[in-house]
Amino acid sequence: AQTVTQSQPEMSVQEAETVTLSCTYDTSESDYYLFWYKQPPSRQMILVIRQEAYKQQNATENRFSVNFQKAAKSFSLKISDSQLGDAAMYFCAYRSAYAGANSKLTFGKGITLSVRP
Amino acid sequence: GAVVSQHPSRVICKSGTSVKIECRSLDFQATTMFWYRQFPKQSLMLMATSNEGSKATYEQGVEKDKFLINHASLTLSTLTVASAHPEDSSFYICSAQWWQGGRAGDTEAFFGQGTRLTVV
Repeated sequence: AQTVTQSQPEMSVQEAETVTLSCTYDTSESDYYLFWYKQPPSRQMILVIRQEAYKQQNATENRFSVNFQKAAKSFSLKISDSQLGDAAMYFCAYRSAYAGANSKLTFGKGITLSVRP
Repeated sequence: GAVVSQHPSRVICKSGTSVKIECRSLDFQATTMFWYRQFPKQSLMLMATSNEGSKATYEQGVEKDKFLINHASLTLSTLTVASAHPEDSSFYICSAQWWQGGRAGDTEAFFGQGTRLTVV
């Protein structure tokens, strides 16, 4: 079974600064997807960024980028130019590429990010 | 992105009564819907996976007779908490996705807004 580990329960960043959220995972599969989801105080889950395991290039979405290290099974999220609206709980998640229609997400425990004005 | 609507957003019920939560995919047909439970400041715990017209697949430890899932159509799944008790108070989230074949990761999961259930 796959596992996703987020070992830092909380982090804080100064507005306009850069912060990196860590995530490691364990799998025996070679083809999979990794995600970062944001859950703001409204509790609506929002997809931040997605990485395909067979792609070596790190995914980027505006101020959000990942550092994907497949051999180390590490998938960190970097938020640049942090904004107050980035304050939320962030979840790292894994999905197998093999499971078809019922392919499900495996979530880490999450990390609460606060942004200081 | 696609929209998933969950209703109600909040519900308070008396202990011993049943509560139904609806999850609708508004602009797509969902091949699969998932139900999660989330405690404060914790992760999403998958409760069950449902497909239209089939019995739901429950995760280990989830009571099938307590958490009844019906997936009547490609756009609607319902979760009924039967004979609710205070320990069932939680935040429940649904997600929906469609799969047209190919690699599973090409499928994106869309989440409802969640339902806060309080049993008094």
